[in-house]
Amino acid sequence: EDQVTQSPEALRLQEGESSSLNCSYTVSGLRGLFWYRQDPGKGPEFLFTLYSAGEEKEKERLKATLTKKESFLHITAPKPEDSATYLCAARGAQKLVFGQGTRLTINP
Amino acid sequence: NAGVTQTPKFQVLKTGQSMTLQCAQDMNHNSMYWYRQDPGMGLRLIYYSASEGTTDKGEVPNGYNVSRLNKREFSLRLESAAPSQTSVYFCASSEAIDSWDIQYFGAGTRLSVL
Repeated sequence: EDQVTQSPEALRLQEGESSSLNCSYTVSGLRGLFWYRQDPGKGPEFLFTLYSAGEEKEKERLKATLTKKESFLHITAPKPEDSATYLCAARGAQKLVFGQGTRLTINP
Repeated sequence: NAGVTQTPKFQVLKTGQSMTLQCAQDMNHNSMYWYRQDPGMGLRLIYYSASEGTTDKGEVPNGYNVSRLNKREFSLRLESAAPSQTSVYFCASSEAIDSWDIQYFGAGTRLSVL
């Protein structure tokens, strides 16, 4: 069965303190790995799509990477406005499976 | 550009009551989806519509029905609400079923069933 697991469940950082969020997946025939950002009381907002191992994508302070079993969302010198829940999702042959998310808090 | 609009934003129901959640998109997308989001769990797909005139079950369809009214609108109906259906419901759309990746989400409907 296709499965996506994110860790940690919650992460608190100080402003400027870089870190990484992990997304482990077991999906047969991966057709894409996706990252979304979700702010409280809002719907998820698309960030990145990665299609093959070794691929990397960047947007401002965020960089997403992909291996054959995991994806990482690296956050460099985060700011308080980066506080949100980050969702990972993997597309297999037939469906998109979401992880439970990592709640990130950046303290000023 | 409104994107995906869901109504209502909040709803409280009693067990056994029925209601319809409305969703409309203005991006001319072909595919639309209904998810539920519960604490500690990922988004779970309830139903989806690959194109106007078609609907299919997702991971958790029991207790729900859907209607793809036209290309813009996709509604979710709870015929007899149960406390287990207390959740946050999200509607999403994408250009086509093959581009499931870039899904655009509405703001959600927060439903409580007492």
